[in-house]
Amino acid sequence: AQKVTQAQTEISVVEKEDVTLDCVYETRDTTYYLFWYKQPPSGELVFLIRRNSFDEQNEISGRYSWNFQKSTSSFNFTITASQVVDSAVYFCALSEGTNAGKSTFGDGTTLTVKP
Amino acid sequence: DGGITQSPKYLFRKEGQNVTLSCEQNLNHDAMYWYRQDPGQGLRLIYYSQIVNDFQKGDIAEGYSVSREKKESFPLTVTSAQKNPTAFYLCASSYLGTSGNYNEQFFGPGTRLTVL
Repeated sequence: AQKVTQAQTEISVVEKEDVTLDCVYETRDTTYYLFWYKQPPSGELVFLIRRNSFDEQNEISGRYSWNFQKSTSSFNFTITASQVVDSAVYFCALSEGTNAGKSTFGDGTTLTVKP
Repeated sequence: DGGITQSPKYLFRKEGQNVTLSCEQNLNHDAMYWYRQDPGQGLRLIYYSQIVNDFQKGDIAEGYSVSREKKESFPLTVTSAQKNPTAFYLCASSYLGTSGNYNEQFFGPGTRLTVL
């Protein structure tokens, strides 16, 4: 069975600090997809990134970067120079190749960025 | 504008009543999903549908029912059999990629259901 663990329930940082959100996953499939979503206070989840199991290349998008390591089954998310607008709940999710229509979500990490 | 709409935003229900939550998408996505979110917890899958007139149970389907008569619509009924229906309900959709796999999900704004 697939499982996603986000061990950090809450993180609080001061603006401009860098912060890393951890995500560890479990799956028996060799083909799978990993996602990060952001849920601001309004409640609507916003897609941030997708990574498939065959592509371990790390990605950077502005202040956001993602580190995918199959050896440790981790897909961590780093925000550089955090801003107050980054305050939200962040979810990591996993879809297996055998049933890629169905995603399993972690419990989320609540990030608070203080001015 | 393309997107997913959910209505109503807030819904109050008396115990013992069935209630239907609406979800519509104009993204032409094949798959649609319903999730439940409780405070401080992640999303739990209730039902999902990958094609019209077909749907599958998720992890917590008991006390819920759905229909998929049209590609763009996937209403969720919370029945009186659902013991703890007070929660935030999110609808999502995704499209089938060229490789035959589903891609990221797009979410609606959610419906907050409160049972009085």
